[in-house]
Amino acid sequence: AQTVTQSQPEMSVQEAETVTLSCTYDTSESNYYLFWYKQPPSRQMILVIRQEAYKQQNATENRFSVNFQKAAKSFSLKISDSQLGDTAMYFCAFMKNNAGNMLTFGGGTRLMVKP
Amino acid sequence: GAVVSQHPSRVICKSGTSVKIECRSLDFQATTMFWYRQFPKKSLMLMATSNEGSKATYEQGVEKDKFLINHASLTLSTLTVTSAHPEDSSFYICSARLSTGAGELFFGEGSRLTVL
Repeated sequence: AQTVTQSQPEMSVQEAETVTLSCTYDTSESNYYLFWYKQPPSRQMILVIRQEAYKQQNATENRFSVNFQKAAKSFSLKISDSQLGDTAMYFCAFMKNNAGNMLTFGGGTRLMVKP
Repeated sequence: GAVVSQHPSRVICKSGTSVKIECRSLDFQATTMFWYRQFPKKSLMLMATSNEGSKATYEQGVEKDKFLINHASLTLSTLTVTSAHPEDSSFYICSARLSTGAGELFFGEGSRLTVL
């Protein structure tokens, strides 16, 4: 079974600053996907970024980027130029390849962006 | 992107009654949908995988007679909480899988159930 661990229950950052959210996972699989999802106060989950394990290059989506360390089973999310709208719960998630899109979520990190 | 809608967004019911929550994929067909439960300030726990035209697959510890799932069409899955009790109060979220492309998952807005 896979496990996903987010060691930071809560974090805060000043507007326009950069923050990094941590995520580690445990799996014996070699092919898999990793995701970061955002859940704002409206509660709807939104995909922030995804990473295929076979790709060495770290995924980037505008202000969001990841540091994927496959050997260390680490998948951190960096948010640059933080905005007030980034305030939300962030969940790291794991999906085995060919697992029918079944996601295993981490416990979440509550991020507060302060003005 | 694709849109998944849940209804109702909030529901309050009396103990012992049944409540149905709908999950619809509005602009795409979803052969597979997932139902999650989320407790306050907690992560999402997968309850079951709903497959169109077949029985749902339930995760260990989830009572299938308690949480009835029906996926009668490619755009609709329903979760019925039967004989609800206060401990069933929670936030229920569905997601639907895009059957084309990378098979990305899209999430509904969630439904908050409060059982009195």
